[in-house]
Amino acid sequence: EIVLTQSPGTLSLSPGERVTLSCRASQSVSSSYLAWYQQKPGQAPRLLIYGASIRATGIPDRISGSGSGTDFTLTISRLEPEDFAVYYCQQFGSSPYTFGQGTKLEIK
Amino acid sequence: EVQLVESGGGLVQPGGSLRLSCAASGFTFSSYWMNWVRQAPGKGLEWVANIKQDGGEKYYVDSVKGRFTISRDNAKNSLYLQMNSLRAEDTAVYYCARETRAYTYYYYYYYMDVWGKGTTVTVSS
Repeated sequence: EIVLTQSPGTLSLSPGERVTLSCRASQSVSSSYLAWYQQKPGQAPRLLIYGASIRATGIPDRISGSGSGTDFTLTISRLEPEDFAVYYCQQFGSSPYTFGQGTKLEIK
Repeated sequence: EVQLVESGGGLVQPGGSLRLSCAASGFTFSSYWMNWVRQAPGKGLEWVANIKQDGGEKYYVDSVKGRFTISRDNAKNSLYLQMNSLRAEDTAVYYCARETRAYTYYYYYYYMDVWGKGTTVTVSS
């Protein structure tokens, strides 16, 4: 099983700031099989990024993804109020598909 | 509108059974792999199982193998999760999610792009 470790667990930031979230895999994952999701309280997850760096439909360009092998990052260049949520990475490289434990962005 | 709607959740005693359903609309259901993902109260996301378009391949997380069965009825545009021998640790919101496998520029990309709102399963005496 591929374990995904996200860091940090929680970040307290202000709107307008830049943030980078980390997702580290226990073994190499093809970039094609790495996705990022956003989840707000009481809602289902929403796809943000697939293929490690490809924005899903309707995702603003202030949100970007990068990385390869075992290290992946999600960057939000200028935080908007609607960006405060929990973010998960997920790998599809091997079964079982696994998620990271999540990073919570909270308003400072 | 592309939509997934789960149903069938509820309160069940430990050792009991429950069958979840997921109704799909707005897309060609039979063309997609489908998944169940769960989220325990206050916890993160956990992938549970997935099933191929024709039902010929099914995969499960170890913690539910032998207890849960994923199935689908393409004629009814529906996905199911039969849950037996339920335990307290199965308490969660259960989401169904569409898995897209897109082939572009020599690469396959896998992702879950459509999610339902979830149905809540509580296992308690």
